[in-house]
Amino acid sequence: NAGVTQTPKFRVLKTGQSMTLLCAQDMNHEYMYWYRQDPGMGLRLIHYSVGEGTTAKGEVPDGYNVSRLKKQNFLLGLESAAPSQTSVYFCASRKTGENTEAFFGQGTRLTVV
Amino acid sequence: KNQVEQSPQSLIILEGKNCTLQCNYTVSPFSNLRWYKQDTGRGPVSLTIMTFSENTKSNGRYTATLDADTKQSSLHITASQLSDSASYICVVSAYQAGTALIFGKGTTLSVSS
Repeated sequence: NAGVTQTPKFRVLKTGQSMTLLCAQDMNHEYMYWYRQDPGMGLRLIHYSVGEGTTAKGEVPDGYNVSRLKKQNFLLGLESAAPSQTSVYFCASRKTGENTEAFFGQGTRLTVV
Repeated sequence: KNQVEQSPQSLIILEGKNCTLQCNYTVSPFSNLRWYKQDTGRGPVSLTIMTFSENTKSNGRYTATLDADTKQSSLHITASQLSDSASYICVVSAYQAGTALIFGKGTTLSVSS
């Protein structure tokens, strides 16, 4: 049981390049989330999904797009990376219900130069 | 605006000592409050989840309390160990479908020998 797996773990991009971060969960969870974590700040929600084929914007969605074509995968895309997107990105998933536990991936450290 | 505030920002204690971390929130409508432990370079891991009707919940040496009237929570760590050195994050969930989690900035705890 791998839980939540993020790919890649580290990446360096040049300004203007694009990339996709992959989040995969094997727990059959409905809800999936993408967060970013910056120094001195709490995790901030970028986008989330409540089920296959559905996505919604979070607190800081600008510059990012997401897709949930399969229930187990949640992709985060950066079409034209900017230095302000240098951050650590975390994916999380949980079952439906208000009080279900959220499981996090190990994070992706992205640097945009 | 939904907010979660934690104090202190950082804390240093000697191994074997107890400590208490604080969390105040202004999230409505309140669904539940969670405490997470985040080791350096890792994703957050759940310690406790408490709903409106729960006043206290324990997980080993970790005990969380919740006062929904004053919108305050605390996390008490008993007999601290070196492995307790981490960031402890208070997270509050608002009551809505697919709800995202609202994160505090965390308290960085350092346990020294």
